Amino acid sequence: KAGVTQTPRYLIKTRGQQVTLSCSPISGHRSVSWYQQTPGQGLQFLFEYFSETQRNKGNFPGRFSGRQFSNSRSEMNVSTLELGDSALYLCASSFLPSTAGSGANVLTFGAGSRLTVL
Amino acid sequence: QKEVEQDPGPLSVPEGAIVSLNCTYSNSAFQYFMWYRQYSRKGPELLMYTYSSGNKEDGRFTAQVDKSSKYISLFIRDSQPSDSATYLCAMSAWQAGTALIFGKGTTLSVSS
Repeated sequence: KAGVTQTPRYLIKTRGQQVTLSCSPISGHRSVSWYQQTPGQGLQFLFEYFSETQRNKGNFPGRFSGRQFSNSRSEMNVSTLELGDSALYLCASSFLPSTAGSGANVLTFGAGSRLTVL
Repeated sequence: QKEVEQDPGPLSVPEGAIVSLNCTYSNSAFQYFMWYRQYSRKGPELLMYTYSSGNKEDGRFTAQVDKSSKYISLFIRDSQPSDSATYLCAMSAWQAGTALIFGKGTTLSVSS
């Protein structure tokens, strides 16, 4: 059973550019969450999508956006990149969305996309 | 005060040692507690999952939750060099729509 696949694994951008990251969840998983991981802040929740709808959003500026397609694959976009956006962006999938109410967010993570902003 | 506090380490132990990793939290609504392990250049992988208070054992790993003290622990017995990684605690509340809140992680190094 294939895991969560993220592309690209590494990328370098310059300030002001935009970037799109892609995530393919585990087959059968319809919920996709995105997290940003930095040494200073650790893992911080960006947003969650389930059935092509954003179900939850973290405390990030509007430059960070995402979407989910009908096949559950998801993309996140960061516009007008800043140096502080350099991070490991992790995608995680789960069978249930957080809005299922169980609180049982058993997430399976991908290896991440390492973004460096120069 | 951050919602979840975790000592970043690094923690260095010899092979065979018992390792204790801990997190404290402030939100009494947290009901689900998890430990993830993250190797270098990899994503986090779920190690242990516990609901509410109590202990859970899986092989060399034991997770403990003390909700009265808002304190969770992960014990690793007979530690191995392959256990060298960053360990992240994570928790979530019962309420619908809440995301996982992670600690910053503790880096563990087990020497042979």
